[in-house]
Amino acid sequence: GAVVSQHPSWVICKSGTSVKIECRSLDFQATTMFWYRQFPKQSLMLMATSNEGSKATYEQGVEKDKFLINHASLTLSTLTVTSAHPEDSSFYICSVREGTDTQYFGPGTRLTVL
Amino acid sequence: QKEVEQDPGPLSVPEGAIVSLNCTYSNSAFQYFMWYRQYSRKGPELLMYTYSSGNKEDGRFTAQVDKSSKYISLFIRDSQPSDSATYLCAIESNDYKLSFGAGTTVTVRA
Repeated sequence: GAVVSQHPSWVICKSGTSVKIECRSLDFQATTMFWYRQFPKQSLMLMATSNEGSKATYEQGVEKDKFLINHASLTLSTLTVTSAHPEDSSFYICSVREGTDTQYFGPGTRLTVL
Repeated sequence: QKEVEQDPGPLSVPEGAIVSLNCTYSNSAFQYFMWYRQYSRKGPELLMYTYSSGNKEDGRFTAQVDKSSKYISLFIRDSQPSDSATYLCAIESNDYKLSFGAGTTVTVRA
């Protein structure tokens, strides 16, 4: 399956600052990547679908102006959490879908907002 | 009603036992069924993937799908302490979006 990396693996930031998380598809050109959020002891919730060269599509209830997604190349998608607040603290995970196969996930980024 | 229901457990079994995990889903349009394993503070790892009713076997793992009952299962034979993790069922709709179950935390005792 596809190999996916994320950077950073964890980040701590102050409330009100912005944080950028990178998701890279290392061995596969991904036209579509997905961003998920996982709160402690909860399952993954899809936030948005990132499409290369076009705007991301967001799930209901996810603020597109707060969670900025840029999919500028076939191997890189970025998620920027703008004006982060403590309630944004979570585990953010990206995935890529390889052809007709299923989704392969990155290792995740743990965000803590103080 | 959630689209995918999964018993969150936790489940504790002795080494060598069979682990049985189950999910139900509500949307008959779902086509693809996956099981992921997630270790603490890690991304999910794909274990099994199937799209038809019936059984699919891979080593010690067997995935079972019953579309008529909207019921999917994962069985782990000869469980090992290294199988201790959270297991997530996931179902994919036509637009490639995944809906996840809540996850079942499994502990295999040595």
